Order: sequence, then structure tokens, then C-alpha cells
Amino acid sequence: SQKIEQNSEALNIQEGKTATLTCNYTNYSPAYLQWYRQDPGRGPVFLLLIRENEKEKRKERLKVTFDTTLKQSLFHITASQPADSATYLCALGAKDSWGKLQFGAGTQVVVTP
Amino acid sequence: DGGITQSPKYLFRKEGQNVTLSCEQNLNHDAMYWYRQDPGQGLRLIYYSQIVNDFQKGDIAEGYSVSREKKESFPLTVTSAQKNPTAFYLCASRQGILTGELFFGEGSRLTVL
Repeated sequence: SQKIEQNSEALNIQEGKTATLTCNYTNYSPAYLQWYRQDPGRGPVFLLLIRENEKEKRKERLKVTFDTTLKQSLFHITASQPADSATYLCALGAKDSWGKLQFGAGTQVVVTP
Repeated sequence: DGGITQSPKYLFRKEGQNVTLSCEQNLNHDAMYWYRQDPGQGLRLIYYSQIVNDFQKGDIAEGYSVSREKKESFPLTVTSAQKNPTAFYLCASRQGILTGELFFGEGSRLTVL
């Protein structure tokens, strides 16, 4: 069965450092992958999209890589700030899936001053 | 401002009762989705709709029902047949049905007493 794995343990990081999150998947051939941020009790907010033929995408302090051979995406937050503290979800979309996404459970990031 | 409005934010229900969660969007998006979020699990798709008067079951549709009579509205009814309805429910919309981002509402937390 399809499986999407994100680190279940919270990532505690000091302000200014780079946070790196992992999203691994099995039994799946995604055409694209998205990352979302979710604050407690709120709905997720879209951050980045990367397609299967792309290796890397950047947006301000965020960077996403996508390795279809390793079946893995890495999400980096550089120069992290306490305001970056949240849960980050990866979501995979397949071709011809009518826009349906499969979500990972998310990784909580805690940035301390 | 454009967005998605979910109501109510919190809802308590006795066993055996049906409840309806409201989802309204003014983004003029074609596709709408209902997801369920439980602690430690990824978002799971309940139902989705690509156009008015049409909707499809997601991965966990049993015990739920929806309607799409208007483009702006996609209400979800949690019926008494749903065995474990206590959860955080998220409504989302998307322009088109391909790789675009999902816009989420703020969620509705349902607790069965």
C-alpha cells in the first residue's frame, strides 16, 4: 500500500540554523509534491510545489528537493526564526488523480531563540 | 478578502446524531475537498467535487455525505453511521484539478460525547 513517512519526532532547532525535514514515500509515483505549513488548530497553508522533473525549488528562505530515485523530498528552512515554529506537511499528487493529494502526518518544528 | 469559511469552529454531538459542517468559498474555485485529520496521521480525503452537482468518494467516505448544489458551497454531513467521528475536519478548494495548491479553511473540530 502507499505510504508517506515524515519524522514523527519534533525537530528542535536553534534560531539562525537550518532545519531539514524529510518526506519519504513508497509504492507511489507522484507527478508532483507540495509542502504545507500548519499552525495548531488552523488549516494548512501552501508553501511550495515541485514537479517530478524538477530537482530543486526555492522560495525566500525555503528550499525543496525532490529525488524520484530515492523516493524522497527534503525541505529546508534556512536562517530559521521562532516564527517558523509549526508543523510541516508533505503532500503527493499522482498523474490523473483529479487533484487529490496524499498527505504525510507532518513534522513539528520548534525554533528556540 | 477571498477565502474559505468553515463553520462551526467547534461542535459537540451526542452519539446517534447527524451533524452538518458548513464550507463556503468565494475564490471561484471549481474543485472542493473534505479532509479529516487525526493526531499522528496524515490528512485523509473524505469526499471531493470537481464541478457543481457532482462529487466522488475519497478514501474514507463511509458514514459521511456531501452535496454540491452551488459552486461556493460544499457541506459535509457526519452521520450516525460514522463509527469514530471525533476529529478535526478541513475543507479545501482548488482552481482547476491539476497541480495547483489547495486553499484550506480554518477547520471544524467535532467531538462526540
